[in-house]
Amino acid sequence: DIQMTQSPSSLSASVGDRVTITCRASQGIRNDLGWYQQKPGKAPKRLIYAASNLQSGVPSRFSGSGSGTEFTLTISSLQPEDFATYYCLQHNSYPYSFGQGTKLEIK
Amino acid sequence: EVQLVESGGGLVKPGGSLRLSCAASGFTFSNAWMSWVRQAPGKGLEWVGRIERKTDGGTTDYAAHVKGRFTISRDDSKNTLYLQMNSLKTEDTAVYYCTTLYYWGQGTLVTVSS
Repeated sequence: DIQMTQSPSSLSASVGDRVTITCRASQGIRNDLGWYQQKPGKAPKRLIYAASNLQSGVPSRFSGSGSGTEFTLTISSLQPEDFATYYCLQHNSYPYSFGQGTKLEIK
Repeated sequence: EVQLVESGGGLVKPGGSLRLSCAASGFTFSNAWMSWVRQAPGKGLEWVGRIERKTDGGTTDYAAHVKGRFTISRDDSKNTLYLQMNSLKTEDTAVYYCTTLYYWGQGTLVTVSS
């Protein structure tokens, strides 16, 4: 099974900051990775698919990069509505697996 | 407008069974690979399993912790996805989401408690 190690588990930042979240796969997954944002009490929302493709309607301050075993989600300039929990998901092989999540909090 | 609406959650005793449904609309359900994802209270997301579309074979795959106890099925004539959960354990308590990995339902809460 593929393990996804996501870091950091929590992050405190200010509006306007640039933040980066990382996911490492225990084995190569090509670019079969998505990034999700989840707010309390809501379903997840996909921001990035195929590691680096911005989902339609998602602000361009979100970007994804990586391939193989190391992936990053970058938010270039944090906005108040970006404070949420973020997850990566690998869908290269079964069982699919999520990272543990990164809770992004206001400093 | 795409909608995925889960139903069937509730309180069940350990060892009991429950069947969740997910009614889909607004897209061609029969063409979609569908997954179930769950989230225990205060915890992260956990993939439960998925079913292929029938034209790709309709195969199912499951996470280890539910394999042999949970069964995913679909009825394309009703645009509905199902999750049959047997031999439920307290650790199965969670909100269960159906998803295409892009579209998500609102989730349904399953509580396993005596």
